[in-house]
Amino acid sequence: GENVEQHPSTLSVQEGDSAVIKCTYSDSASNYFPWYKQELGKGPQLIIDIRSNVGEKKDQRIAVTLNKTAKHFSLHITETQPEDSAVYFCAARSMDMGRRALTFGSGTRLQVQP
Amino acid sequence: GAVVSQHPSRVICKSGTSVKIECRSLDFQATTMFWYRQFPKQSLMLMATSNEGSKATYEQGVEKDKFLINHASLTLSTLTVTSAHPEDSSFYICSATVGSTGNTIYFGEGSWLTVV
Repeated sequence: GENVEQHPSTLSVQEGDSAVIKCTYSDSASNYFPWYKQELGKGPQLIIDIRSNVGEKKDQRIAVTLNKTAKHFSLHITETQPEDSAVYFCAARSMDMGRRALTFGSGTRLQVQP
Repeated sequence: GAVVSQHPSRVICKSGTSVKIECRSLDFQATTMFWYRQFPKQSLMLMATSNEGSKATYEQGVEKDKFLINHASLTLSTLTVTSAHPEDSSFYICSATVGSTGNTIYFGEGSWLTVV
């Protein structure tokens, strides 16, 4: 099955700086890679996703890049703000028949210092 | 975006009792719903995949007789924790797929279960 590794586990940046979170996956057949933001006590919120036919996707201050050959994808947040502080999870979806669930990384706790 | 609603958001139950958590897709039909469990400061762990009208597929190590999952309609899936014990206390989160390809997955707000 799919295995997703995520780094770093914690990340502290100054307000206005950029933050980068990296993930690798094991199943070359995976074709969908979403990123979720989770605030304390709440469910994960989808912030951006990318499919395997695209190398990069951007939405305002958030961007995701995908390298299928190396099997890794990254989340980039520019001009960070204190409200960006949360736990971020990457995920990958395997194409195994009957197994359509996401496999999550271990999470990155982002702290944006004002 | 699509909305997935969970109820209750918080529940406290006594050891040995059963508790039901509902997951509803409010503005779309979800052919597949997923149930996750999350312990504090840990990642989400898939418990089971629920397809409408059929039996759920449980992950290895998840007791299907303890965690009963029903997906009777395209907008509702339920998770029943039977004979709950304190170690079942956790954050339970459901998610559902949107669209014919089923790629985009949205999550509910989660349900905190505390067993005393």
